Amino acid sequence: AQSVTQLDSQVPVFEEAPVELRCNYSSSVSVYLFWYVQYPNQGLQLLLKYLSGSTLVESINGFEAEFNKSQTSFHLRKPSVHISDTAEYFCAVRFFGNEKLTFGTGTRLTIIP
Amino acid sequence: NAGVTQTPKFRVLKTGQSMTLLCAQDMNHEYMYWYRQDPGMGLRLIHYSVGEGTTAKGEVPDGYNVSRLKKQNFLLGLESAAPSQTSVYFCATRRDRLTDTQYFGPGTRLTVL
Repeated sequence: AQSVTQLDSQVPVFEEAPVELRCNYSSSVSVYLFWYVQYPNQGLQLLLKYLSGSTLVESINGFEAEFNKSQTSFHLRKPSVHISDTAEYFCAVRFFGNEKLTFGTGTRLTIIP
Repeated sequence: NAGVTQTPKFRVLKTGQSMTLLCAQDMNHEYMYWYRQDPGMGLRLIHYSVGEGTTAKGEVPDGYNVSRLKKQNFLLGLESAAPSQTSVYFCATRRDRLTDTQYFGPGTRLTVL
């Protein structure tokens, strides 16, 4: 079965500390992987994506994610978080041959001053 | 450029009432999607469209109908609202099948009493 899992529903982190938000998927076909961010009371915005090529992808605000095919993972990391990173983060997968995105259940990142 | 807009922003309905949510885009995108977001469940696809005049069912289509008579508009209808349809509804667009990024509207918060 094709699915995407975000095990952590909430992650509290102290300001300037590192963070990792986990995403795993299950698929028998090739996948395209995405992280979307939702700031309070807003719609979702694309943070970064992996389609092909280098397995390490970066966003403009310091986040990065690495596609690990053997672990079927696409974890999101940031070495030092800021208060403005407070948001909900969604991992999403598009399975090859499918026009639809499948979203994880989201991880709420809370930054502690 | 307004991007993706949704009307209305908020609505309260009584059980059995009907309503239509409007999604409008000015980016000339081919694909449009309707999602619902519920706590702990992430985003679930209701219906989508790959072009003017086309619609297709998503993951949770029951109780909803859609229409895409004009390329720039995607309507989501609830014929007889139920409390289980209380949710935040997001519209998203995607340029075409050669691109992957989805662009989201600000959402509509619907409460069914």
